[in-house]
Amino acid sequence: DAGITQSPRHKVTETGTPVTLRCHQTENHRYMYWYRQDPGHGLRLIHYSYGVKDTDKGEVSDGYSVSRSKTEDFLLTLESATSSQTSVYFCAISPSTEPNYGYTFGSGTRLTVV
Amino acid sequence: SQKIEQNSEALNIQEGKTATLTCNYTNYSPAYLQWYRQDPGRGPVFLLLIRENEKEKRKERLKVTFDTTLKQSLFHITASQPADSATYLCALQTGTASKLTFGTGTRLQVTL
Repeated sequence: DAGITQSPRHKVTETGTPVTLRCHQTENHRYMYWYRQDPGHGLRLIHYSYGVKDTDKGEVSDGYSVSRSKTEDFLLTLESATSSQTSVYFCAISPSTEPNYGYTFGSGTRLTVV
Repeated sequence: SQKIEQNSEALNIQEGKTATLTCNYTNYSPAYLQWYRQDPGRGPVFLLLIRENEKEKRKERLKVTFDTTLKQSLFHITASQPADSATYLCALQTGTASKLTFGTGTRLQVTL
């Protein structure tokens, strides 16, 4: 989607290896989010950021870490990938917590851990 | 426990008819409810927001209702078209500082 890109789009990795997914935005939005989407579970929040170097955990944060050193980039790291982390990962941005704006989502990263 | 429920079965509807999708929630007191559309292989796209003190919201062929007594939102697409075929997600926000929590979505298929 315009203004937000995720990389890579697809990745296959082996169990136990570290993996970093990148979210890049050009909207200068303050808030950034990482979700995972799995059948039967919908979108679940992993971590979010409310500013540079300001991050917090979501409901499924175990096994994941994040970093935000610049407004435009929000990185999601799987320190040691497991098969249960096979999923589609979405990054989202919003300019405010005011709900009027909704979230703008990236196109997702499909991660397969073998 | 908190739960957001959307019909997991696909809704099949004929072109020109009104499609109605349901979002039910338990153990939430949402201040805001949003609806998103998601196409295969893409991220969700924001469609509409309704506040707890609003009963109904419209945008072109879309209409959303919000009944906090029934703990339910209905999402209507009038004069549906094949291009409306997608998965529709509802999402709740309990306050301006809270994050969105999503339902699992309902797939809509509009046929000719």
